[in-house]
Amino acid sequence: GDSVTQMEGPVTLSEEAFLTINCTYTATGYPSLFWYVQYPGEGLQLLLKATKADDKGSNKGFEATYRKETTSFHLEKGSVQVSDSAVYFCALLYNFNKFYFGSGTKLNVKP
Amino acid sequence: NAGVMQNPRHLVRRRGQEARLRCSPMKGHSHVYWYRQLPEEGLKFMVYLQKENIIDESGMPKERFSAEFPKEGPSILRIQQVVRGDSAAYFCASSPGENNEQFFGPGTRLTVL
Repeated sequence: GDSVTQMEGPVTLSEEAFLTINCTYTATGYPSLFWYVQYPGEGLQLLLKATKADDKGSNKGFEATYRKETTSFHLEKGSVQVSDSAVYFCALLYNFNKFYFGSGTKLNVKP
Repeated sequence: NAGVMQNPRHLVRRRGQEARLRCSPMKGHSHVYWYRQLPEEGLKFMVYLQKENIIDESGMPKERFSAEFPKEGPSILRIQQVVRGDSAAYFCASSPGENNEQFFGPGTRLTVL
């Protein structure tokens, strides 16, 4: 079945470090891929998305490329800030009805 | 334009009581989705509704859980005879139609004592 696997956290980085959060997926068709961010006590906010292979989604310095050959959608940011501390969820949208979410990766950025 | 609204934000119930969670979609959105997030886990799809219709309830537990989205008013997720395992954050999302982005509400955190 369809599923998303993302790296376990927490990930702890110093400010201005490079960030990678791995995400791989299993899907029987051609899903759209998303990254959502959840700040403490809040709901999910869309960070970026890609709707087809080789698309790159980007927002607020974050980016991810839809790699069909490796079924991956890794999240990267060149220089993290303390304000980026949150939980990041990778998700796929298939059949346009429901998301399949990964288990989330908590990011802690220290000053 | 107000976002997706959920209330209450926090709900405490004792075992055996009923929990009612409300979701008001964004203006102009006629599709509503409910997700459950257990502690330290990702969100899991529960149910997808359009006005007065349940489209997909494949993620809903077979017993004690029900959902509706009436012609007027918010969508309601109802949990009867709650148990401790129902403690979770319940998120609602809405979209203007299929093939459209889902916008998430802030969630309702249910605690069952």
